[in-house]
Amino acid sequence: AQSVTQLGSHVSVSEGALVLLRCNYSSSVPPYLFWYVQYPNQGLQLLLKYTTGATLVKGINGFEAEFKKSETSFHLTKPSAHMSDAAEYFCAVSEGTGNQFYFGTGTSLTVIP
Amino acid sequence: GAVVSQHPSWVICKSGTSVKIECRSLDFQATTMFWYRQFPKQSLMLMATSNEGSKATYEQGVEKDKFLINHASLTLSTLTVTSAHPEDSSFYICSAPRASDSPLHFGNGTRLTVT
Repeated sequence: AQSVTQLGSHVSVSEGALVLLRCNYSSSVPPYLFWYVQYPNQGLQLLLKYTTGATLVKGINGFEAEFKKSETSFHLTKPSAHMSDAAEYFCAVSEGTGNQFYFGTGTSLTVIP
Repeated sequence: GAVVSQHPSWVICKSGTSVKIECRSLDFQATTMFWYRQFPKQSLMLMATSNEGSKATYEQGVEKDKFLINHASLTLSTLTVTSAHPEDSSFYICSAPRASDSPLHFGNGTRLTVT
């Protein structure tokens, strides 16, 4: 069985500060891991993904995430927050077959000017 | 650009009527599409898996007769909310993987309001 836990339903950072959104997963098979961003009344947009290979993956808009198997984590970071980063962020895990994805409960990011 | 198109983006209907939501894969064939429901400030809840040419697979607790899914072609899946009631008001999102090991690509969602 697979599941995703996102610690912190709400995160606030100042503009220019480090963004850290936490994601822990459980999976019985090597996981495929994803971060998605959702803006109000829109669908989800893929930020980045980890499938195999390099454990530090870079995504769009300056975001990156590191797969740490020993910690079963896939935290999302960005060195310097921008006002446009304010949105809902979802971590997801799949078995890599393109079939069922399991989503975390989401983290709402607020950027304070 | 968008690879999954969802229509309409919002709809308001009266209680008791039916509403059809379309989900199209724009530049690829999708044998499988997924329908999610999202409540305000909550995560996505998988409702059903739409399979081209066969019956949809519904998640536990989702009423098959209320949420009719048809996947008649490799690029189109439809979700029909039958006899809609105010409690069906929600944000519905479809998604599809472009390939067997690719991420899900999401439509922009449909905001359904039942009055």
